[in-house]
Amino acid sequence: EDKVVQSPLSLVVHEGDTVTLNCSYEVTNFRSLLWYKQEKKAPTFLFMLTSSGIEKKSGRLSSILDKKELFSILNITATQTGDSAIYLCAVKDDKIIFGKGTRLHILP
Amino acid sequence: NAGVTQTPKFRVLKTGQSMTLLCAQDMNHEYMYWYRQDPGMGLRLIHYSVGEGTTAKGEVPDGYNVSRLKKQNFLLGLESAAPSQTSVYFCASSPFQQGPQPQHFGDGTRLSIL
Repeated sequence: EDKVVQSPLSLVVHEGDTVTLNCSYEVTNFRSLLWYKQEKKAPTFLFMLTSSGIEKKSGRLSSILDKKELFSILNITATQTGDSAIYLCAVKDDKIIFGKGTRLHILP
Repeated sequence: NAGVTQTPKFRVLKTGQSMTLLCAQDMNHEYMYWYRQDPGMGLRLIHYSVGEGTTAKGEVPDGYNVSRLKKQNFLLGLESAAPSQTSVYFCASSPFQQGPQPQHFGDGTRLSIL
């Protein structure tokens, strides 16, 4: 059965800390892995990864994919209170399968 | 450019009532999706469509029906609402291009079944 597993499920850190969110997957026909940030409403797109070992970066956020070990990580450096959100990982094969998300809370 | 618009934003139903959720996108996307999101469960795919006139079942299709009569609209129907269908429903769309593309999400519909 296809599945996407995120860890940790929740995380509380202090402003300025660096966090690493994990996403592992098992799917039949992998096409891409996507990261989303969800605050109060709709998920907003962060990164799409299709190739192993190539880091995608946007400001303080970065992500990398390992297609051999079937996982991805999302790093956030120098965290701010505005980074508090649920971070969703999704894997696209014939459909899109989401993990349960990591709820990140940044303390001021 | 509105992107993906969902109506209504909120609705309260009684058990056994029926209703239709509307999703409209103005980006000329081929693919459209309906998800439900429950606490601690992430997003679960209900149904999806790869083009006008076509639909397919997702992970949790039971109790729902969908239609894609026009490319820009994707309707989700509940024929006989049940309390287990209380959830936040998200619609999403993505284009058909070579290679995978990220989805664009609507703001969600919060549905409560009493």
